[in-house]
Order: sequence, then structure tokens, then C-alpha cells
Amino acid sequence: GDSVTQMEGPVTLSEEAFLTINCTYTATGYPSLFWYVQYPGEGLQLLLKATKADDKGSNKGFEATYRKETTSFHLEKGSVQVSDSAVYFCALVGVQGAQKLVFGQGTRLTINP
Amino acid sequence: DAGVTQSPTHLIKTRGQQVTLRCSPKSGHDTVSWYQQALGQGPQFIFQYYEEEERQRGNFPDRFSGHQFPNYSSELNVNALLLGDSALYLCASSLVSLSSYEQYFGPGTRLTVT
Repeated sequence: GDSVTQMEGPVTLSEEAFLTINCTYTATGYPSLFWYVQYPGEGLQLLLKATKADDKGSNKGFEATYRKETTSFHLEKGSVQVSDSAVYFCALVGVQGAQKLVFGQGTRLTINP
Repeated sequence: DAGVTQSPTHLIKTRGQQVTLRCSPKSGHDTVSWYQQALGQGPQFIFQYYEEEERQRGNFPDRFSGHQFPNYSSELNVNALLLGDSALYLCASSLVSLSSYEQYFGPGTRLTVT
């Protein structure tokens, strides 16, 4: 079945550092790929998405490129802020069946001032 | 424009009891999905409702059941609660006709089973 694997956390960085959170997937065909963010005590918010190979999703300074050849969708940000501290989830919707999101295990990010 | 709402926010139940959680989708959305998020884990798909029918189901036992109403709101019912059912239950809504498959999540219901 479809699956998503994220880099192990937690990740701790200093403010203004460069961020990369790795995400790889296993799926049939061309799934749609997403990054969701969960702030403490809240539900999930869609951060960005890409629906076909080589698409780049971007939002709030975050970017991720859909790489079919490496089955990856790594999240990057050039300069993180304390307010970016949250848990980040990589997810996919497969090409078959209903619009079911399959999530990775999440990566907790803490940014220190 | 109201987003996805869920009730209640928190709930404490005893093993063996039954619970009902409620969800109202984002305005204009016709599909509701339910997810279970255990502590420190990613959300796991329970099932999805569209046109008042269960469209797809994840790997959850029959103790988990649901319903969708004509106004697209939805309920999740869990019978014979187990300690392992303690989790954050998330509702997500979407529009089935959208090819982008975006789902919008509510704040969740935190269920504690003692």
C-alpha cells in the first residue's frame, strides 16, 4: 500500500538557520503530495502541495519540489523563525480510491532565538 | 467563512462505554473524512463519507462507525471503548470534484479512555 517516510525528529535549529525536512513516499502512479503543519494544541493546517512531477509547492517561505525520480518531497526554508516551531507532516493522496490522506509520522521542529 | 468545526473539544470516557463525536465541514464542502492521531504519531485514516455513504474505510474495527447527514455534517461513533482508543480525532472536509484533493482539518476532539 501507499506509505510516507519522514526524517526522524526532533529537529532543533537556531533562528535564521536553513531548514530541510526529508520526505520520501511509496505509491502507485503519480500521487498528490502535501505538507501539513500542526501547532501546539491545534489541528492540521495545509502548508503547501504539489499535484504532479516537478511541481514546486510554496507558502510562507517554505518550498517543496515533487521529485518522481527519487520519490521525494523534501520541505525547505531558507531562514526559519521561532514561530515556525511546530510538528510537520508529509502526506500523499494516492491515485486509486477515495481522497484518503496517508501521513508520515511527523517531524517536531523547535527553533531557538 | 467558517472552517471545519468539531465538538466536543475534550472528552473523558470509561472502558466499555460508547462515544459520539461531531463535525461540521467547511462551507461548500461535501465530503468528510475522519482520522485518528495517537500521541506522537501521524493521523491514521478511519473512513470517509460522501453523499451520506461510507466511501472508503481504513484499517479500523467495526466498533468505529459513522454517519453523514444531508447538510454534510458527520458523526463518528465508537462502541466498547478500549484504552487504546485514547487519541485526537480529526475531521477533515473536502470537495470531491476538486482534483487537488485538498482537505481542511478541524481542531480535533481529544478523547481519553480510562
